[in-house]
Amino acid sequence: DIVMTQSPDSLAVSLGERATINCKSSQSVLYSSNNKNYLGWYQQKPGQPPKLLIYWASTRESGVPDRFSGSGSGTDFTLTISSLQAEDVAVYYCQQYYRTLYTFGQGTKLEIK
Amino acid sequence: QVQLVESGGGLVKPGGSLRLSCAASGFTFSDYSMSWIRQAPGTGLEWLSYIDSSESRIYYADSVKGRFTISRDNAKNSLYLQMNSLRAEDTAVYYCASSSQWPGVFDIWGQGTMVIVSS
Repeated sequence: DIVMTQSPDSLAVSLGERATINCKSSQSVLYSSNNKNYLGWYQQKPGQPPKLLIYWASTRESGVPDRFSGSGSGTDFTLTISSLQAEDVAVYYCQQYYRTLYTFGQGTKLEIK
Repeated sequence: QVQLVESGGGLVKPGGSLRLSCAASGFTFSDYSMSWIRQAPGTGLEWLSYIDSSESRIYYADSVKGRFTISRDNAKNSLYLQMNSLRAEDTAVYYCASSSQWPGVFDIWGQGTMVIVSS
């Protein structure tokens, strides 16, 4: 199985500041034939199901604010929130879909400082 | 609107069985692959099982292989998860999710149904 490891486990950022969450996969999730990274990011607020934010490592899902961006390739990825808003308090998960035994990171809890 | 609604959760004794259902509406269910994903209390997300649109490809996580069975009825716009030999560690919220962008990209989620395995 591909193991997904996120860092940090928790993060406190001031409103309006940048938040950065990292995700590392135990093997590359870059498919060479199409040059796509099979990596997604999800946001989960308390009491709610997860919500897809980003797929193909950097493609924003429709309706997701442009303050959310994804980057990285191969085994190392980053989710960046450029200017933290109060409604961004949540747990964020990365997930690989390179192998059909899909796996998620352990989650990063984002709070307001 | 686009919606997935799970049902069938509840309290079951260890070793017991339960069948979860997921009703889809607002999109062409038969076009998309589906998955079951669970979340134990206070923990992260665990993908459990995948079924493609025609039921030709089915996959399971090792943790549930041989105990859980995924199926779908495209005529009824419904997804199912038959869970047998349940254990305490199967206690979780169970979500169904669809993948319209690409298999494994979960873009529509249900609200979840709680399964508690306890004597």
